[in-house]
Amino acid sequence: SAVISQKPSRDICQRGTSLTIQCQVDSQVTMMFWYRQQPGQSLTLIATANQGSEATYESGFVIDKFPISRPNLTFSTLTVSNMSPEDSSIYLCSVGSGRPGELFFGEGSRLTVL
Amino acid sequence: AQTVTQSQPEMSVQEAETVTLSCTYDTSESDYYLFWYKQPPSRQMILVIRQEAYKQQNATENRFSVNFQKAAKSFSLKISDSQLGDAAMYFCGQGGSEKLVFGKGTKLTVNP
Repeated sequence: SAVISQKPSRDICQRGTSLTIQCQVDSQVTMMFWYRQQPGQSLTLIATANQGSEATYESGFVIDKFPISRPNLTFSTLTVSNMSPEDSSIYLCSVGSGRPGELFFGEGSRLTVL
Repeated sequence: AQTVTQSQPEMSVQEAETVTLSCTYDTSESDYYLFWYKQPPSRQMILVIRQEAYKQQNATENRFSVNFQKAAKSFSLKISDSQLGDAAMYFCGQGGSEKLVFGKGTKLTVNP
């Protein structure tokens, strides 16, 4: 298994500001995944982050709004830019286990935008 | 497109009893995986059980088992001998590799 640490665990942000979420894994992984879980909703994949290349974004998510960095094989950041109340969600970092369909998740970062 | 539907937003069960959570899905993939994840109040998602679609035998993990009906695209989770620690959100999902699609979840309450 992988141990995934996310920071911050929660934050309250003002409209129009940006916040960067950090994800640290205790082992080297090829791909890291960022999910969003809106209140009462399921998890939606935002993007896949590979080390050394640009992240691959899912439909409905753009780099200008959710820039991602992946400087090495154990670390990634997700920035939520120019936040609005609609961005209030839990943001989850995850990595694959090597078995298809199995992911390890961080505890998530709960953002509230006022 | 891949979709996952969980028709039960909430379920409850008495401790030691059995409960079944429903899930249906749709996919155009020929090779895919199905799974159930548990999200306790602490928020960390944990894989409960995983099923390869090409396998006819239903997966089991201790008190957790699935009823996989491929033709009907149904993938229900049965929890036997429910324990208080089973209380959580349960997400059904599917994927062909590491890109997973989840349902909206079922909140399970376990009553003592």
